[in-house]
Amino acid sequence: DSGVTQTPKHLITATGQRVTLRCSPRSGDLSVYWYQQSLDQGLQFLIHYYNGEERAKGNILERFSAQQFPDLHSELNLSSLELGDSALYFCASSATFREENSPLHFGNGTRLTVT
Amino acid sequence: GDSVTQMEGPVTLSEEAFLTINCTYTATGYPSLFWYVQYPGEGLQLLLKATKADDKGSNKGFEATYRKETTSFHLEKGSVQVSDSAVYFCALSDNIAGNTGKLIFGQGTTLQVKP
Repeated sequence: DSGVTQTPKHLITATGQRVTLRCSPRSGDLSVYWYQQSLDQGLQFLIHYYNGEERAKGNILERFSAQQFPDLHSELNLSSLELGDSALYFCASSATFREENSPLHFGNGTRLTVT
Repeated sequence: GDSVTQMEGPVTLSEEAFLTINCTYTATGYPSLFWYVQYPGEGLQLLLKATKADDKGSNKGFEATYRKETTSFHLEKGSVQVSDSAVYFCALSDNIAGNTGKLIFGQGTTLQVKP
């Protein structure tokens, strides 16, 4: 058990809809990362928050947004969903913001299916 | 930009066979290198890492050496077990000052070990 909790585990929704994915980091971890894993793109970094502030953006679409709350949990919001958004979305946390100093701990992911 | 290339899978081995999964990278700076493992239905787990050239990371019988001259970080294990069946990801983290520690992953290599 990594200590990172993601909910829900599975999500099935229709095109055009909006969903929210939730992540609770390991106790004490200040950094939260979101990754998307799809068959064609592999594992892609989306966004990183550290102690409530956005630190870096990767290949995140404008239809997607995220935030980290004062209690350090994070939410990833996906809107105007398209079939191609179907993927496994991972959250990871770490104590600091440099991977070489504190490794990432991944949750088990939320599997999103857009029909 | 930075990138990671892994050998394509699946790799199928018999128990106690020798394992090599090739990984090469392209990076402008001096990245840290990682191997992550993903078991079915779970998130990624850090297997080992190396933060500078000639470092050897090792864990659970797996080893990988950071080779700057060949820009490689091949994963090896002398004797695989059925329980090693999983997907293995090579990744790098740019160490440029101010970097947020986001990881760039390879496509993953599926390992299947048969009894």
